[in-house]
Amino acid sequence: AQTVTQSQPEMSVQEAETVTLSCTYDTSESNYYLFWYKQPPSRQMILVIRQEAYKQQNATENRFSVNFQKAAKSFSLKISDSQLGDTAMYFCAFMRASGGATNKLIFGTGTLLAVQP
Amino acid sequence: GAGVSQTPSNKVTEKGKYVELRCDPISGHTALYWYRQSLGQGPEFLIYFQGTGAADDSGLPNDRFFAVRPEGSVSTLKIQRTERGDSAVYLCASSPMSGMHYNEQFFGPGTRLTVL
Repeated sequence: AQTVTQSQPEMSVQEAETVTLSCTYDTSESNYYLFWYKQPPSRQMILVIRQEAYKQQNATENRFSVNFQKAAKSFSLKISDSQLGDTAMYFCAFMRASGGATNKLIFGTGTLLAVQP
Repeated sequence: GAGVSQTPSNKVTEKGKYVELRCDPISGHTALYWYRQSLGQGPEFLIYFQGTGAADDSGLPNDRFFAVRPEGSVSTLKIQRTERGDSAVYLCASSPMSGMHYNEQFFGPGTRLTVL
């Protein structure tokens, strides 16, 4: 069974600074996807960034980038130039990519990020 | 276009009652997922629909939980004889099975269920 671990329950960062959120996962699959989702107080899960395991290049989306270490099963999220609107719960998630798989997401327990003015 | 919508936004019920939670997916998305998010936890998978059929219901906790998607669009999650432990936020997500957003799940705002 796959598991996702987020070891930082809460983090704080000053506005305009950079912060890194950690995520590790466990799987025997060779082909899969990894995601970071943001959940503000409105409860709406918003996709921040995705990474295909077969791609060696780390994904980037504007101020958001990942450090994907496949051998170490590590998938951290870096947020640059933090903004007040980045304050939210962040979830790391895993999805199998095998043919015929359900494609359900397996989530970690989340990291609550507070951006301080 | 419109995103995934869920109704009601909040539902308070008494122990032992029956509840229905509704999900309207993004038009054209053939895959639909239900997740349950307990306080302080990440969402946990409940059930997955591909079209009208439940392709995977392995996450349903027991036979009090049931979900349908009769026309391949709107889905209803039904909970019988509710228990206090059923209190959680129920999230719905839909996904296209082709195109640039293939395998990406788009979430609704959730229904917060409180069982007194």
